[in-house]
Amino acid sequence: KNEVEQSPQNLTAQEGEFITINCSYSVGISALHWLQQHPGGGIVSLFMLSSGKKKHGRLIATINIQEKHSSLHITASHPRDSAVYICAANAGGTSYGKLTFGQGTILTVHP
Amino acid sequence: DTEVTQTPKHLVMGMTNKKSLKCEQHMGHRAMYWYKQKAKKPPELMFVYSYEKLSINESVPSRFSPECPNSSLLNLHLHALQPEDSALYLCASSGRQGVGETQYFGPGTRLLVL
Repeated sequence: KNEVEQSPQNLTAQEGEFITINCSYSVGISALHWLQQHPGGGIVSLFMLSSGKKKHGRLIATINIQEKHSSLHITASHPRDSAVYICAANAGGTSYGKLTFGQGTILTVHP
Repeated sequence: DTEVTQTPKHLVMGMTNKKSLKCEQHMGHRAMYWYKQKAKKPPELMFVYSYEKLSINESVPSRFSPECPNSSLLNLHLHALQPEDSALYLCASSGRQGVGETQYFGPGTRLLVL
């Protein structure tokens, strides 16, 4: 079992819909990252969270440390949001700073 | 400048070739990373350099040899690769190696080993 689990694995939406991607982790973490990867490869860091909630434009990320759960929300989705969304956990310890990745959620937004 | 650049974008090599991948950043970051990503899988960490010293080696085969000649540059030297090494190789950097540091990724080098 992966230490970081995402759901759903695939998500299809119509333009304008509200989207939620979930991330659960079993390890103790100090920070949780949400990343976006478009076809072609480039990865962009969207958020880094250690508590609470962050918002950037139409994107909102929340984390519940007690429940070991984070969500990424996209409001008013658009076809350009189509990408793979990856959550990644930062643990301390000997691999200080190493990211443990979830398997990714493939999002397709249709016009 | 918040960009990490990687060259080349694409590379095709034979199993007996020697080639190098290059990564550069001018953000003053002191931690740099190499990742390998196979299709439809998340990135896998290979190496981490912190202040130009190798900090983490994730038991990567010796046919991959990293080098950090200065704080802005990271190389990955390739020798005697296998077809299963074909993948997207991503470089990233962060201010320092540590928890809660945002990693900035390059566009990757897509490698095909024949």
